Amino acid sequence: AQSVTQLDSHVSVSEGTPVLLRCNYSSSYSPSLFWYVQHPNKGLQLLLKYTSAATLVKGINGFEAEFKKSETSFHLTKPSAHMSDAAEYFCVARSVNTGKLIFGQGTTLQVKP
Amino acid sequence: GAGVSQSPSNKVTEKGKDVELRCDPISGHTALYWYRQSLGQGLEFLIYFQGNSAPDKSGLPSDRFSAERTGGSVSTLTIQRTQQEDSAVYLCASSFQGEVSGELFFGEGSRLTVL
Repeated sequence: AQSVTQLDSHVSVSEGTPVLLRCNYSSSYSPSLFWYVQHPNKGLQLLLKYTSAATLVKGINGFEAEFKKSETSFHLTKPSAHMSDAAEYFCVARSVNTGKLIFGQGTTLQVKP
Repeated sequence: GAGVSQSPSNKVTEKGKDVELRCDPISGHTALYWYRQSLGQGLEFLIYFQGNSAPDKSGLPSDRFSAERTGGSVSTLTIQRTQQEDSAVYLCASSFQGEVSGELFFGEGSRLTVL
């Protein structure tokens, strides 16, 4: 069965340092992949999406993610963390069989001053 | 409206009571989804509407859960005889193209606490 695994439930960085949120997916095919962000008491917002046009995808707020088929990974990065980046981040895959979205368990990003 | 609107934002109820959660999607969005987010868990799919019909109800956890959508707009999720394990944040999302594009627009959720 297709699945999405976010390798870290909690990541803590200092403001101004790089961010890396890891995501691996399992699939026999190259799926469509997404990152969503959820700020406290807010709805989820799409950060970026990969749909096979380019392996390096740029999103909002300076985030980007690279699709690596050989590693079945879609890690989210940002060169320099900002306090406003503190939130919950979800890696999501669209099932090639059903078309439904499959959410990872989420990673909480803490940004320290 | 400007975004997906959900009400109530918070609901505390006693075990055994029925609750109704409402979702008002973005105008013109034909696809509407309900998800459940429990503490420390990812999002659990509940039900999907295309227009007023629900082609996929596979995520509803039991027959105590039901949902309807009228006029291709507002949707109501009803939980009968609530149990403590129903406590969660219930998120609604809408989309113009459905999950094909992956871009769902989420509401802020309804936090349900069952005592």
